[in-house]
Amino acid sequence: QQPVQSPQAVILREGEDAVINCSSSKALYSVHWYRQKHGEAPVFLMILLKGGEQKGHEKISASFNEKKQQSSLYLTASQLSYSGTYFCGTEAQAGTALIFGKGTTLSVSS
Amino acid sequence: NAGVTQTPKFQVLKTGQSMTLQCAQDMNHNSMYWYRQDPGMGLRLIYYSASEGTTDKGEVPNGYNVSRLNKREFSLRLESAAPSQTSVYFCATRTGGSGANVLTFGAGSRLTVL
Repeated sequence: QQPVQSPQAVILREGEDAVINCSSSKALYSVHWYRQKHGEAPVFLMILLKGGEQKGHEKISASFNEKKQQSSLYLTASQLSYSGTYFCGTEAQAGTALIFGKGTTLSVSS
Repeated sequence: NAGVTQTPKFQVLKTGQSMTLQCAQDMNHNSMYWYRQDPGMGLRLIYYSASEGTTDKGEVPNGYNVSRLNKREFSLRLESAAPSQTSVYFCATRTGGSGANVLTFGAGSRLTVL
């Protein structure tokens, strides 16, 4: 089942902060975050595993609430380069396929 | 080191024609995936192969078939294309199994069915 992302779209000025949320109705092993620029392939940002392990981008942080099956991506002091569509992907058990949400479009202007 | 290579990049088909999208990876990954991307729908999983010799249906498998030819290659076939299959198709790979292993995507294949 597809995870639910919110909001659908965010408009920011440079330097502002944003939070993108992802929730699932199923118990999760991991949550992934990817960013896609227009006309390009999605690129990995962050992975959070059940149990606390995480790996990802230096300037982007995320959290994973295992009890609520929710994850949030925190974009602080946004830059123009942050613009794009952000997808969360959820993995129900280790080694199963990632199911992605519908995406959140982030637009950052100067 | 090309990573994940998809061919063709663009294709126009007529309704009822067949075609195969090819995906090859040189990352020695075990798991390979096919997703389709449509406006407002996100990335939807069509089929995947957790390891060489296995394939499984994803969220939207109808109208597609796949072949995991070997560890490197995973193809997606449309036997009788329909306009509803107009989409951008992404192949992705990862190590598989447990742990923090992430997806690497190919550049995508844009398919238009008239």
